[in-house]
Formats: sequence, structure tokens, C-alpha cells
Amino acid sequence: EPEVTQTPSHQVTQMGQEVILRCVPISNHLYFYWYRQILGQKVEFLVSFYNNEISEKSEIFDDQFSVERPDGSNFTLKIRSTKLEDSAMYFCAIDRISAYNEQFFGPGTRLTVL
Amino acid sequence: AQKVTQAQTEISVVEKEDVTLDCVYETRDTTYYLFWYKQPPSGELVFLIRRNSFDEQNEISGRYSWNFQKSTSSFNFTITASQVVDSAVYFCGGVTGTASKLTFGTGTRLQVTL
Repeated sequence: EPEVTQTPSHQVTQMGQEVILRCVPISNHLYFYWYRQILGQKVEFLVSFYNNEISEKSEIFDDQFSVERPDGSNFTLKIRSTKLEDSAMYFCAIDRISAYNEQFFGPGTRLTVL
Repeated sequence: AQKVTQAQTEISVVEKEDVTLDCVYETRDTTYYLFWYKQPPSGELVFLIRRNSFDEQNEISGRYSWNFQKSTSSFNFTITASQVVDSAVYFCGGVTGTASKLTFGTGTRLQVTL
């Protein structure tokens, strides 16, 4: 059984629209991460989240992005006004409780901005 | 800042050949963790191994083996007797500090043919 799931698996949206990507860990975790991978490129860090606060973010994570845990379990990434260049695979990751400092990735959400 | 270099963009081998994927991780920190992930055509990121900077013992898991040499900052990955199912993009990455961002290399695409 996967430790983390992501919904939706694929999202198509129009430029300028808001999207919310969801990450659902199977059990309690302390650290959450979002990464993105533009097609054919490397995986890039966006943001890390600990104790209901952002602990670190990259230059990519600008004001158009936000993260939260609205109900204490789901972990969401919101893009307020999508741009064409936001088209990518977005991965949620968690630190495995059983293995210190080991990041386990969800299956990803493919976001296509038209 | 950390830097991960995977100099090999693409490697093509015939099934049953051995293949080594190179990775160089550069950081000023003395404590860090190194990782390898596999990304098959389906797109998910599959965790393969984590090593810490104090453990230079080689590790073997079935047909996979890893060689970490701190003196050269290299963390190479060898697949013995490659199979078609090994065809994927392999990413090397590193983490410095506790629950910190994972910095990925650009990946090596491995194509195993019959």
C-alpha cells in the first residue's frame, strides 16, 4: 500500500485559473514537501512544510503558490493564477517515520495549463 | 549550496550487460545523505537507496550495488546483468541537514534492449 497518494492524477486547466493539488499521507508524518518536474527535466524542490509552517522554499515558490494542511491530514499546494510554464508533474513527498531523512514520493499530479 | 552532477545523459546497453551510473555530490557540509531514485516510464519516483556521508561501505541489493567514495564525492550505482525492466531515468540526489530539501541531479536515462 502506498504511503502517500495524490489527487488528481491529471489536471487540465486554463491559464489564469486556480488549481489545488492534494497530497494524502497514509499515516501521520511531520515533514511534507512539494517538488515539480517539468517534462524531460530534473526534479526541483518547491517547498517544505513542518509543524504547519513553511520551513524552506525555493525561488520557484513565489506568491502564486501556497501550501496548507486544511484538516490536519491532507496537504495541499495551491497555484492561484496558473501560467503556461506551470505545466509539470508535481510530486508530494514525506519523510518516512521508519527511516530518518528518507523522502518517499507520491505518484504525482500531472498539471497541464492551456 | 549543494550540487549534484550526473554527467551521463543517456546510456544504452544490451540486456545482461553491467552498467554503472555516475553521480558526484558537492557540498561544504560534512554530514549529508545521498539517494538514488528510479523513474520508470510510468512517471513515479521509486526510492532505491539512502546512504549517509559517514558510511562508505558498498551496498548490494540483488543486482544493484552502490559505491560511495567520500574523497571524490562520488556515489555510483551499478546494475549487474541489466534487464529490460531496468529501463528508466535514474536520479541521484542529496540532502544536507535535517528534513531538508532534496537536491536532484539531471538524471541518466538508461535504455536496456534485447
